[in-house]
Amino acid sequence: GENVEQHPSTLSVQEGDSAVIKCTYSDSASNYFPWYKQELGKGPQLIIDIRSNVGEKKDQRIAVTLNKTAKHFSLHITETQPEDSAVYFCAARGSGGYQKVTFGTGTKLQVIP
Amino acid sequence: DSGVTQTPKHLITATGQRVTLRCSPRSGDLSVYWYQQSLDQGLQFLIQYYNGEERAKGNILERFSAQQFPDLHSELNLSSLELGDSALYFCASSVTSGGNTGELFFGEGSRLTVL
Repeated sequence: GENVEQHPSTLSVQEGDSAVIKCTYSDSASNYFPWYKQELGKGPQLIIDIRSNVGEKKDQRIAVTLNKTAKHFSLHITETQPEDSAVYFCAARGSGGYQKVTFGTGTKLQVIP
Repeated sequence: DSGVTQTPKHLITATGQRVTLRCSPRSGDLSVYWYQQSLDQGLQFLIQYYNGEERAKGNILERFSAQQFPDLHSELNLSSLELGDSALYFCASSVTSGGNTGELFFGEGSRLTVL
């Protein structure tokens, strides 16, 4: 089955700096890569996703890149703000019917004011 | 508010006991997923249901079982509980079209503590 590795497990940045979280996946058939943000005491929430026919996607301060050949994808947050502090999960979903979404182990991001 | 409701929010029980966690998906979502989140662990997929039928199974122990009812709510049953079962259990729902899972909407989780 799919295996998703995520690095780093913790990340501290100064407010205004950029943060990058990297993930690799094992199943070359995976075609959908969402990123979820989990704030303290809440369930994860989708913040951005990318499909395998796209190399990069941007939404305001958040961008995701995908390298299908290397089987890795990354989340980039620019101009970080204290409210960006949370746990971020990458995930991958295989192709075909009813494929499960496999999550990485999460990155705890701390933005220092 | 994701629209997914989980009860109870917190549950404390003893080893060997049995508990039931309940999930009501977003209105209109036919798929329900259960995930386990232990301390310092990611989200471990347990099981998925679509319109009452089991569709995918992950690392779910034999002591655990789940079902989805005709009104689409789902229950996760955990029996013969062990200390290691202490975790946050999340339910998520999605609109699944043609078997392709889109965005997952997560509830706020049920925190289970086994003493």
